[in-house]
Amino acid sequence: GAVVSQHPSWVICKSGTSVKIECRSLDFQATTMFWYRQFPKQSLMLMATSNEGSKATYEQGVEKDKFLINHASLTLSTLTVTSAHPEDSSFYICSALGDGRLTYNEQFFGPGTRLTVL
Amino acid sequence: TQLLEQSPQFLSIQEGENLTVYCNSSSVFSSLQWYRQEPGEGPVLLVTVVTGGEVKKLKRLTFQFGDARKDSSLHITAAQPGDTGLYLCAGARGGSQGNLIFGKGTKLSVKP
Repeated sequence: GAVVSQHPSWVICKSGTSVKIECRSLDFQATTMFWYRQFPKQSLMLMATSNEGSKATYEQGVEKDKFLINHASLTLSTLTVTSAHPEDSSFYICSALGDGRLTYNEQFFGPGTRLTVL
Repeated sequence: TQLLEQSPQFLSIQEGENLTVYCNSSSVFSSLQWYRQEPGEGPVLLVTVVTGGEVKKLKRLTFQFGDARKDSSLHITAAQPGDTGLYLCAGARGGSQGNLIFGKGTKLSVKP
């Protein structure tokens, strides 16, 4: 149980285009999902907290107009990188907060999406 | 600001050796989680510790939560090449949001 999927697993796009990444909780409902960014050989950096049915909460320094988050259902959150530039190239990982079967705010992570902007 | 300092940052050992990874903070966490991540994949939850002084074992891995819930350690006995990966500790802030504060990670390489 507690499986989270991400799609696509990797994407290459041209500078100036927009890219949408999907995060799905497959066997549980997740009212809260998180989006992280990870640079090579570094830890995870929280970008935003996504709550179903409400606006996402962005961490300081993360542009909400650049990284659009939509959490339209209890099993799906999307991250859209708008007008992507080479510096947006990174490994993006989502996670979903356990649905109450778990007690300790454990997060279950997706496999990540490798974004390369040319 | 709550910070979680993880050490060592890099660790390269021979198969069969033991090792310990540390996570330290000046802040108290409601729980602390350990994850293992392989290149190109998302982190996988290994264990959650909640109670001060708690010790949990997962085969050759032993996790301990400090009495004051400010620090934790991961000890691996007789490391194997399959243990190679990035180990991350993450402390849970209080409240219902479930936000985690991640350490910078320990890159472990176990050579045969």
